[in-house]
Parts: sequence; structure tokens; C-alpha cells
Amino acid sequence: EAQVTQNPRYLITVTGKKLTVTCSQNMNHEYMSWYRQDPGLGLRQIYYSMNVEVTDKGDVPEGYKVSRKEKRNFPLILESPSPNQTSLYFCASSSQNGEKLFFGSGTQLSVL
Amino acid sequence: GENVEQHPSTLSVQEGDSAVIKCTYSDSASNYFPWYKQELGKGPQLIIDIRSNVGEKKDQRIAVTLNKTAKHFSLHITETQPEDSAVYFCAASADSGYALNFGKGTSLLVTP
Repeated sequence: EAQVTQNPRYLITVTGKKLTVTCSQNMNHEYMSWYRQDPGLGLRQIYYSMNVEVTDKGDVPEGYKVSRKEKRNFPLILESPSPNQTSLYFCASSSQNGEKLFFGSGTQLSVL
Repeated sequence: GENVEQHPSTLSVQEGDSAVIKCTYSDSASNYFPWYKQELGKGPQLIIDIRSNVGEKKDQRIAVTLNKTAKHFSLHITETQPEDSAVYFCAASADSGYALNFGKGTSLLVTP
């Protein structure tokens, strides 16, 4: 089954404790992206990657890092999480440069 | 950057009625306009998309119209059903999807 898998689904952590949210897709897509969803703000792009070893900032990249060492994986790294990074995070992939995105099921992150 | 405004934020219709959601964009170079449906607890799912060289596109009960002069596009759902209840997001991109800018979403409720 074609899918984008995010882990974990839920995460509660404390300020400053480094964490990684994993994202993996099994569709051989070149394009992958991370979004955060906050009430009243919709979906905002954090980072995207057009291919292996190629990443670019989205609209809200501050406080986040990504890497794209393999085509299927695109982890989101929070080096020093802060409470304002409490949000619902979505990973997505596409075979068409960001068009027709497939989204994962989301990761609800709470930073205390 | 691109700014996408979406209205209304909430919409309630009776089963069988039509629903219309409108979005405006600011960047006249935008050329790709997708619509996503997000059901509770799930990631967004693409339901229809349109390019700037097309004025209208239909897929069964769903249609999207684009007015490039006025810089707005709309989602039309006919013969609504309770399973259409969800949050709908419009988006726009000036570079064929690389950096999608989403509207803030419309919560649609279809009552039996």
C-alpha cells in the first residue's frame, strides 16, 4: 500500500530536549516536505526537499533541521524544542515537484 | 510571498445542498491550485487541482473554477453528503508546487 509513515504519532517532551520525527515514503517520490498545522493558521511549510541531498527552507524553518540522505526518508529534527513548537506536524511526498501531495497521518507534538 | 485567503472559515449546509468555498491569492505568477480535504485525525488528502491555463475542472460532485484576472478560485461541492463533512484547504503555488501556500481552512458540516 502506498503510504507516508510518520513516527511517533504523539510525543510529549520538555524544552531543550532534542528530538527527531521520522518520515518515510514507499512510493519512490523525489519530493518531500514538512508542514506544521496550528489552529487558525492552516498548514505552513517548514522545509522541503526536491531530491536526495537537496533541501530548502519553507515559510517557517526557524528552530528546525532536516536531512535527506536517502530518497525514502526525510526526518525532522528539533535541536532545542521550545513551547511555541507545540503543533501538529505533517510529512508529505510527491512524484511531481510538490504537486499532488501524499500526506502522512501526522505527529502531535507537545513541548512543555 | 504568496498570501492565500480562504472564506468562509466555517460552513454548514443541509444534505443535498451545494457548498462553495472561495480563495483569493496575491501572487499573479501562481500557476497551480490544489484543494485538500482533511478528515478528523487524518492527514490532508488531495481532492482536485487545477492549473492556471484551465478555467474549470470537474470530478463527479466536485468542481473547481479559476478566475486569473480577479485572482480567485473556488471549490464547488454539489449534492452534499454527511461524509463530505471535513476541513477543506485551498493552496496556491507560483512554481508548480515546490512551495505551496495554504489557506487557513474551511470547516464544512453537512447535516442530514
